[in-house]
Amino acid sequence: AQKVTQAQTEISVVEKEDVTLDCVYETRDTTYYLFWYKQPPSGELVFLIRRNSFDEQNEISGRYSWNFQKSTSSFNFTITASQVVDSAVYFCALMANNNDMRFGAGTRLTVKP
Amino acid sequence: GAVVSQHPSRVICKSGTSVKIECRSLDFQATTMFWYRQFPKQSLMLMATSNEGSKATYEQGVEKDKFLINHASLTLSTLTVTSAHPEDSSFYICSATNRAVSGNTIYFGEGSWLTVV
Repeated sequence: AQKVTQAQTEISVVEKEDVTLDCVYETRDTTYYLFWYKQPPSGELVFLIRRNSFDEQNEISGRYSWNFQKSTSSFNFTITASQVVDSAVYFCALMANNNDMRFGAGTRLTVKP
Repeated sequence: GAVVSQHPSRVICKSGTSVKIECRSLDFQATTMFWYRQFPKQSLMLMATSNEGSKATYEQGVEKDKFLINHASLTLSTLTVTSAHPEDSSFYICSATNRAVSGNTIYFGEGSWLTVV
């Protein structure tokens, strides 16, 4: 069975603070993909990153960075110097061989000015 | 631009009526599409896998007679909510896989807000 756990339901920070969103996953598949999506109030899913299970390199994209640790089955997401526009719900997701995607419960991030 | 398009983006229907939501892949063929439902402040839950030319595969607890899925072509899957009730009000979103792209890239539609009154 595949499962994604985002233990943080809501996080509130003040602008310019760094914030890390946690994601822990479970799968028996050896080949899988991990994703992060941002969902603003309008509802659409904004793709942020995809990682395959064979690539454990951490990635940085501007203020965003991701830490993939297979040993702990975690794929955490850090926003550096957060901005008000970062306020949204963030979903971590897992996709294995059958191509259907399983989402975590989501973390609602509020960045206050 | 969007590579998977959903229509309508918002729909209001009366209780007891049926409503159809379309999911189109715009510039690729999608043999498989997925339908998700998201209730307010909740996560996206997979409802069913839509397979071109065959019956959809439904997740446990999803009524196949209520949520009719038709995937008649390689670029179009439709979800029909039959005899809609207020508790069916939700955000419905589809996704499609472009197998021609390395790594089976997944694309999501813009989503459809359904309100049943």
